[in-house]
Amino acid sequence: QKEVEQNSGPLSVPEGAIASLNCTYSDRGSQSFFWYRQYSGKSPELIMSIYSNGDKEDGRFTAQLNKASQYVSLLIRDSQPSDSATYLCAVNRAGNTGKLIFGQGTTLQVKP
Amino acid sequence: DAGVIQSPRHEVTEMGQEVTLRCKPISGHNSLFWYRQTMMRGLELLIYFNNNVPIDDSGMPEDRFSAKMPNASFSTLKIQPSEPRDSAVYFCASSFQYGYGYTFGSGTRLTVV
Repeated sequence: QKEVEQNSGPLSVPEGAIASLNCTYSDRGSQSFFWYRQYSGKSPELIMSIYSNGDKEDGRFTAQLNKASQYVSLLIRDSQPSDSATYLCAVNRAGNTGKLIFGQGTTLQVKP
Repeated sequence: DAGVIQSPRHEVTEMGQEVTLRCKPISGHNSLFWYRQTMMRGLELLIYFNNNVPIDDSGMPEDRFSAKMPNASFSTLKIQPSEPRDSAVYFCASSFQYGYGYTFGSGTRLTVV
C-alpha cells in the first residue's frame, strides 16, 4: 500500500462545475496535509493546507479532512479551464519531521 | 523575495559524467529538501536538511548520489557517475519550519544520454 494514494485520472469536468479530488493516506499519526497544483512543465505550487478535521475554505477551493477515515479531499467550485493541472496531495509523517510524502497526483481537465 | 533558486534549468550530459545541481533556498527558511520527479515514480524525496544538517537521506538511491549544505543559503546535489536512469526533473524546496508547506524551485531537468 502506498503511503499517499490518489486516483491518477484524468478527471474531466465542464467549466463551472465542481471538481472533487480525493486522497487517502496510511500513516494514522499524520499531522499536516497539503494540496499542491502543478501545471505541465512547472514546479508544484502550494494552494491549500489543512491541519484539523473539517473543512477549510479559501476562495473557490475547499479542503476537507477526516482523520478517522484517513481521507483528504479538495473541492474546486466554479471550475475554470485555467484550473486544468495535476493536483498533488502531500502528507506530513507522524513525528512532525517536516518530511512530506506526495501522492502520484490527479490530472484535472476543465473543458470550456 | 526571489523564491527558491535552482541552477541549471536544463542539463544534458553523457553517461559517466559528474553532474552537480545547485539550490539557494528562501532566506530565513531552515529546512531544505531535494526531490526527484519522474512519470513512473512521481515525486520522491531524496534527502532533507534542517539547519544545514542532513536529517534523512534514506531516499538517496545509491552511493552515486551525494548532497551537501555548507551554509544556510546554498545546497548541492551531486551525481557521480551519472546514468541514463537518473534522467528526471530534480526539485529543491525549502520550508520555514516543520509542519509548513514547502516552496519549490523551478527544477532542473536532467537528461543523461
